[in-house]
Amino acid sequence: AQSVTQLGSHVSVSEGALVLLRCNYSSSVPPYLFWYVQYPNQGLQLLLKYTSAATLVKGINGFEAEFKKSETSFHLTKPSAHMSDAAEYFCAVSPNTGGFKTIFGAGTRLFVKA
Amino acid sequence: DAGVTQSPTHLIKTRGQQVTLRCSPISGHKSVSWYQQVLGQGPQFIFQYYEKEERGRGNFPDRFSARQFPNYSSELNVNALLLGDSALYLCASSPGARQETQYFGPGTRLLVL
Repeated sequence: AQSVTQLGSHVSVSEGALVLLRCNYSSSVPPYLFWYVQYPNQGLQLLLKYTSAATLVKGINGFEAEFKKSETSFHLTKPSAHMSDAAEYFCAVSPNTGGFKTIFGAGTRLFVKA
Repeated sequence: DAGVTQSPTHLIKTRGQQVTLRCSPISGHKSVSWYQQVLGQGPQFIFQYYEKEERGRGNFPDRFSARQFPNYSSELNVNALLLGDSALYLCASSPGARQETQYFGPGTRLLVL
């Protein structure tokens, strides 16, 4: 069975500081991994995805994530936070062989202080 | 091109009623998935349809049903509404059967009183 754990329901950083949002997954088959962002009262927007190509994945808005199989992690980072990055971030996993179910983590709310 | 559209945007129902939510995928996308997002939680997978056939079902009771039409639009039906069904219902479309890249609509916010 697949599962996703996001460490920290809330993360607060200062503008210009490093953003690090943590995600660990479990999957019995090679997974696809995703990070989505959700702004208030909106749907989800894909930030980036890992589909078994390069382990370091670059996404939109300066975000990137690194797939580490040995640590079953897919942490999201951004070198310098901007006020507009304040939102809810979701890590998700889906199998790349068989099954059609995407499992989302509980989310991490990112606060950016001026 | 238009993104994924959902209607209505907001809905208020009372317990025991039935509700139908609608989703139009991105043009050319053949797969539609439905998710329930309760306040403060991540989205929970309900269904996936591809080429009008159900390809996946999450852990939801039989009160939840869905279908996909020949034009690939989809409806989600929920019968005998409970207070706990209050949530944001998200629809996502993708080009093929695999949920490799899903594009989400803005959602329908359902409140059950």
